[in-house]
Amino acid sequence: DIQMTQSPSSLSASVGDRVTITCRASQSISAYLNWYQQKPGKAPKLLIYAASSLQSGVPSRFSGSGSGTDFTLTISSLQPEDFATYYCQQSYSTLVTFGGGTKVEIK
Amino acid sequence: EVQLVESGGGLVKPGGSLRLSCAASGFTFSNAWMSWVRQAPGKGLEWVGRIKSKTDGGTTDYAAPVKGRFTISRDDSKNTLYLQMNSLKTEDTAVYYCTTGIYCSSTSCYGGRYNWFDPWGQGTLVTVSS
Repeated sequence: DIQMTQSPSSLSASVGDRVTITCRASQSISAYLNWYQQKPGKAPKLLIYAASSLQSGVPSRFSGSGSGTDFTLTISSLQPEDFATYYCQQSYSTLVTFGGGTKVEIK
Repeated sequence: EVQLVESGGGLVKPGGSLRLSCAASGFTFSNAWMSWVRQAPGKGLEWVGRIKSKTDGGTTDYAAPVKGRFTISRDDSKNTLYLQMNSLKTEDTAVYYCTTGIYCSSTSCYGGRYNWFDPWGQGTLVTVSS
């Protein structure tokens, strides 16, 4: 299976901060990488697909980059509604895998 | 409106069985590759398995922890996805989500082999405990 490693596992940030979350794959996955946001008690929400494409309706402060094994999710200016847990997910392999998650908390 | 609604969760003893259902609407279900994803309490997301569309062979794939115990099936006439869970273990306790990838034009939404998960159901809780 392809292992997905996210870092950091948690971070504290203030409203208006630029936040960067990284995701590393154990082997090359081209651009088959998606990012999700999950709030407590809710289903995950797709933010970015194919590494850098913004899902319809998602604010432009979210962006994704990377290819191969290293990927980044960036929130350009953190808003109160962005405090949540973020997951990466690879769909290169038949067996789908998720990263362990990054919890973004209020500083 | 695109919607996925899971049902069938509950409390079951270790070694027992349970069948979850996921009713889909608002997109061409028969063309969709459907997946189950679970989340244990306080933990991250774990992909459980997938069933392809019948057009693409209708075959299934499973994550190692559930292979041989769980079975995914579909009834395209009812737009419904199923997860049959046998030989349940305490570590199977989780919220189970059904999900798929779809593409929406200005007028309709289409299932298919898309490499992302959107939409998701609201989830159904399965608790395995004696």
